[in-house]
Amino acid sequence: NAGVTQTPKFRVLKTGQSMTLLCAQDMNHEYMYWYRQDPGMGLRLIHYSVGEGTTAKGEVPDGYNVSRLKKQNFLLGLESAAPSQTSVYFCAIRDPAMETQYFGPGTRLLVL
Amino acid sequence: EDQVTQSPEALRLQEGESSSLNCSYTVSGLRGLFWYRQDPGKGPEFLFTLYSAGEEKEKERLKATLTKKESFLHITAPKPEDSATYLCAVEGGKLIFGQGTELSVKP
Repeated sequence: NAGVTQTPKFRVLKTGQSMTLLCAQDMNHEYMYWYRQDPGMGLRLIHYSVGEGTTAKGEVPDGYNVSRLKKQNFLLGLESAAPSQTSVYFCAIRDPAMETQYFGPGTRLLVL
Repeated sequence: EDQVTQSPEALRLQEGESSSLNCSYTVSGLRGLFWYRQDPGKGPEFLFTLYSAGEEKEKERLKATLTKKESFLHITAPKPEDSATYLCAVEGGKLIFGQGTELSVKP
């Protein structure tokens, strides 16, 4: 997965609990993304970052926060998890040479 | 509004039976069209980038083509290991993904 790691791989939360998903890259790229993938919905962009210290909203940002304190890491936070946030979350980095995105292995989240 | 539609949703082939997957799109200012392969439980894996109508890219049994309104992913003499979900994405101002075509190749 092109030097993109995601932690954890799987997590079960109760409604109202909080957690942070970590995405780490070893390729020094500026652009990083968080997507969620749901059956029948395809991949939808939650938040993205164009560089250290910057973040921006994507298509479905509500209920999520992000931070990019270090260039290599992009964190996705759920402050108060809801069952609607049950999904598979993918982090991606953008390779400017190929003008495409490379994805991590995913985090499967179940909110009960 | 930028939009991507993939068809069919699912495709079942016999080994060696060639076919094509379709990706229809509307986007203002196409910067690129991308094909990905996704295996169950894994992240999408990049296959091709196409930039302009008439462009073609090949990799093993896969060939991607692009027109002004759609892209095709042709699979020639597929093998069971080609079974996966194939995703199409287009980039105008942002990257928009289709819902994918789930391909199953039976021996």
